Amino acid sequence: NAGVTQTPKFRILKIGQSMTLQCTQDMNHNYMYWYRQDPGMGLKLIYYSVGAGITDKGEVPNGYNVSRSTTEDFPLRLELAAPSQTSVYFCASILGGQNTEAFFGQGTRLTVV
Amino acid sequence: DQQVKQNSPSLSVQEGRISILNCDYTNSMFDYFLWYKKYPAEGPTFLISISSIKDKNEDGRFTVFLNKSAKHLSLHIVPSQPGDSAVYFCAAGGASGTYKYIFGTGTRLKVLA
Repeated sequence: NAGVTQTPKFRILKIGQSMTLQCTQDMNHNYMYWYRQDPGMGLKLIYYSVGAGITDKGEVPNGYNVSRSTTEDFPLRLELAAPSQTSVYFCASILGGQNTEAFFGQGTRLTVV
Repeated sequence: DQQVKQNSPSLSVQEGRISILNCDYTNSMFDYFLWYKKYPAEGPTFLISISSIKDKNEDGRFTVFLNKSAKHLSLHIVPSQPGDSAVYFCAAGGASGTYKYIFGTGTRLKVLA
């Protein structure tokens, strides 16, 4: 049981480039989330999804897009990367109902130069 | 406006003693609280949670206390072990059914052998 898997683990982007951070979970969880963590800060919610085909903005959605075509996958797209998007990105999933704990991937460290 | 605050960025404790990590929140609509532990280069892992209908929840060496009138929760680790050295995040969520948790900025715990 792999849990939540994120790829890549590290990436360096140039300003203006685009990329997709991949996230997949094999626990059949309904809810999925993307967070970013800046140095010395807590995790900030970027986007979330309550099920396949349904996504919504979190606290800091600007500069990002998401899609949820399947239950398993929740990719995060960065268009026109900016230095302010340098951060560590975490994907998480929650089953829901009585199971409210979030399971996190190991993170993607992104640097925009 | 930080809705979840961890005012102590770091804490050092001797092995075998009690560690007490604190968290304050401002939103009275929060009704579910969680603690996560994070090691470097890994994603956060769930430790323990508490709902607003309780004032205490215990799991082995970990106990979470909730004081709703003070909008304060704390995590007690007894006895502390060197392997507990990590960053601890508290998180809070409301009854929206979306499990959108707001995270504090974290407290770095160091347990000294």
